[in-house]
Amino acid sequence: DGGITQSPKYLFRKEGQNVTLSCEQNLNHDAMYWYRQDPGQGLRLIYYSQIVNDFQKGDIAEGYSVSREKKESFPLTVTSAQKNPTAFYLCASSIGQLNGYTFGSGTRLTVV
Amino acid sequence: QKEVEQNSGPLSVPEGAIASLNCTYSDRGSQSFFWYRQYSGKSPELIMSIYSNGDKEDGRFTAQLNKASQYVSLLIRDSQPSDSATYLCAVSGYGQNFVFGPGTRLSVLP
Repeated sequence: DGGITQSPKYLFRKEGQNVTLSCEQNLNHDAMYWYRQDPGQGLRLIYYSQIVNDFQKGDIAEGYSVSREKKESFPLTVTSAQKNPTAFYLCASSIGQLNGYTFGSGTRLTVV
Repeated sequence: QKEVEQNSGPLSVPEGAIASLNCTYSDRGSQSFFWYRQYSGKSPELIMSIYSNGDKEDGRFTAQLNKASQYVSLLIRDSQPSDSATYLCAVSGYGQNFVFGPGTRLSVLP
């Protein structure tokens, strides 16, 4: 079955540590997105990519980095520069900007 | 700054009633409108999309769009306790990313 796989489901980060969240899709979608969701709040766009080897900053890109070396994969690195990374991270993909998103199951990141 | 607004709720309705969820948006150039359902601790799930003025029905769900008033709504008929979730409104235009509203929490009381 086609879909988006995010891993891990839960992730714990120590102070000063970089961590990478995985996002893989087999839907053949060109566009991929990373969102952050804080408790009781909406989705905020971190980074997006419309095509392989190209990506753009979203509204809250500071402290995050991404790569898009393959169509299927769009990993997100949360760097030590992100001072408040505890949140629910959602990866999504879309066949086009006028189509709905398909979301992965999310990664819950906690700073310990 | 493009904005999408929703009442945060909670909106409480008795089982079997109609739940009405509302969303307003600021960008008149918006072309695509979506409703997502998000259960607690889970990722959003697309339940309805609408692109032109009027009503669109899918089972117990009806989406309504009024571009002149910049207003989109979701009606849930015969509400069930399993409909209890947060409903996110998302709006997009050509060449633009989605803008999500903060969501409305719906509680269907047995």
